[in-house]
Amino acid sequence: EVQLVESGGGLVQPGRSLKLSCAASGFTFSNYYMAWVRQAPKKGLEWVATISTSGSRTYYPDSVKGRFTISRDNAKSSLYLQMNSLKSEDTATYYCARLITMAYYFDYWGQGVMVTVSS
Amino acid sequence: IQLTQSPSLLSASVGDRVTLSCKGSQNINNYLAWYQQKLGEAPKLLIYNTNSLQTGIPSRFSGSGSGTDYTLTISSLQPEDVATYFCYQYNNGWTFGGGTKLELK
Repeated sequence: EVQLVESGGGLVQPGRSLKLSCAASGFTFSNYYMAWVRQAPKKGLEWVATISTSGSRTYYPDSVKGRFTISRDNAKSSLYLQMNSLKSEDTATYYCARLITMAYYFDYWGQGVMVTVSS
Repeated sequence: IQLTQSPSLLSASVGDRVTLSCKGSQNINNYLAWYQQKLGEAPKLLIYNTNSLQTGIPSRFSGSGSGTDYTLTISSLQPEDVATYFCYQYNNGWTFGGGTKLELK
């Protein structure tokens, strides 16, 4: 059974940093692109970052480019999101999601972790 | 590519045939998926590549469309279908629609 379990969320002040983790199990992690998607309270979904199978290629929307860094450790079946210079508009539930290879839609999602940016 | 979903809120009765719309600002080339999100839960993949049903999803869900216009249809609404539905395009970048909230009348 595919499982994605996020951790590392919490309350952080504007301008500070936070690192999210996602532990994957039930599939061969190194064979899949992975991504982070967020959802602000009572809002829609926003793609945040994508990483290739080896980690050599990463993709970001303009809203987080230069502030967020996605990475992975295939030996640990883990995905990470380093978030720097956080803003109040980064407040959201962050989901770890698996991408179908070469198709780029998400087939499995974690339960999400809440990040609140507030002073 | 921006996606516009309509309506934003839909009220329907059990057994109704329900149609949700998703319109792209550019041609999506059928690289469109639909997700269902129940309150407090993660999104669940229903449909990918416009009309392919994800494993385990009931056959009352179906997708159609082409170009810029796509549709999710629920042939006979069930109480457990109450949720918000998001379309998602992966033809050019990765973007979600704003969602359609489906409630029971």
